[in-house]
Amino acid sequence: DIVMTQSPDSLAVSLGERATINCKSSRSVLSSSNNKNYLAWYQQKPGQPPKLLIYWASTRESGVPDRFSGSVSGTDFTLTISSLQAEDVAVYYCQQYYDTPFSFGPGTQVDIK
Amino acid sequence: EVQLLESGGGLVQPGGSLRLSCAASRFTFSNSAMSWVRQAPGKGLEWVAGISGSGGSTYFADSVKGRFTISRDNSKNTLYLQMNSLRAEDTAIYYCAKAPGASYYLQIDYWGQGTLVTVSS
Repeated sequence: DIVMTQSPDSLAVSLGERATINCKSSRSVLSSSNNKNYLAWYQQKPGQPPKLLIYWASTRESGVPDRFSGSVSGTDFTLTISSLQAEDVAVYYCQQYYDTPFSFGPGTQVDIK
Repeated sequence: EVQLLESGGGLVQPGGSLRLSCAASRFTFSNSAMSWVRQAPGKGLEWVAGISGSGGSTYFADSVKGRFTISRDNSKNTLYLQMNSLRAEDTAIYYCAKAPGASYYLQIDYWGQGTLVTVSS
């Protein structure tokens, strides 16, 4: 099974500052057939279901603000919030959909400093 | 806007059974793979089961394999999760989730609001 890890567990960032969340997969989630990384990022606010932010590691979902971006280097993935807003307080999860059982990272709590 | 409405959750004793339903609307249901994802109270997300758009392919997490069954009725735009031999560790909010295509090897683009399942005596 592919194990997803995230760091840090939580972080507090000042409004307008950059927030960076890391995710690592235990093995590659890159498909040789289409050269895509099967990695998504979700945002979950209290009492709400998760919301898709990024898929294929770096493609922003329609309607998601462009302050959210995703990048990849090998099996290391990064979600960056370029300028943190109050409404970005949430838990963020990465998830691989390359191989079953699909797996999520443990989540990263983002708060305002 | 896509709508996914779960129902069927509740309190059940250990060893009991429960059937969850998810009524889908405002998209072509048969063109979308569907999944169930759960979240134990205060915990992270766990993928439970998935089914392709046609219903011909399914998969399950090891934690529920042999106890849970996923199915769909494309004529009724409804997804199901039959849960048998329930355990305390199955207590969670169960989310119905949609993929943007017929294969479940895709991201989840919409989530329902979830239904709470509590397994306790």
